[in-house]
Amino acid sequence: DTAVSQTPKYLVTQMGNDKSIKCEQNLGHDTMYWYKQDSKKFLKIMFSYNNKELIINETVPNRFSPKSPDKAHLNLHINSLELGDSAVYFCATGGQKSGYGYTFGSGTRLTVV
Amino acid sequence: RKEVEQDPGPFNVPEGATVAFNCTYSNSASQSFFWYRQDCRKEPKLLMSVYSSGNEDGRFTAQLNRASQYISLLIRDSKLSDSATYLCVVNPTSGTYKYIFGTGTRLKVLA
Repeated sequence: DTAVSQTPKYLVTQMGNDKSIKCEQNLGHDTMYWYKQDSKKFLKIMFSYNNKELIINETVPNRFSPKSPDKAHLNLHINSLELGDSAVYFCATGGQKSGYGYTFGSGTRLTVV
Repeated sequence: RKEVEQDPGPFNVPEGATVAFNCTYSNSASQSFFWYRQDCRKEPKLLMSVYSSGNEDGRFTAQLNRASQYISLLIRDSKLSDSATYLCVVNPTSGTYKYIFGTGTRLKVLA
């Protein structure tokens, strides 16, 4: 039973398209995150939700819109995809229950062509 | 200065060797520190938290030096399976979970 599951695992799409990535966790953690890992392997936080409330919103183009329908789910919608959006997107969860460490999903490898 | 800095490596060491990585952080008020491990094309996984008094988990020892603002990871008796990228993670702000990741140090353990 996967603790943090992301779908899809791979996503290849054309420039200009709109796509969504989904994340679900069964750990009961309060906080969920989206991180982006670029080709240089740098992991950068994008968004964070705590109990469905947006608490971290880094300098990210407004083409990226997170949504958290409930504590266990965090989705990421991307409009008008650009070549530079190609990266691996990781969902993560964390909070007091986890001793504040994160648990990551297996990632979504997005390739924009 | 970057918030979290690591030597990217790679560190190539023979099996059985002891290897140490350092990581420096810029915010002296940082509260929480971790080491994560990331295998190629996989997600990062928590290796260990770093406590002020230092802590050990089997062959792995983590230490924190607040005065010099760095944390370290020591791996003893390296195994082939230790080959991975080790990410230093710092929470610079108390009360939030906005963790900052270093770019990682790549370790290759050679047979």
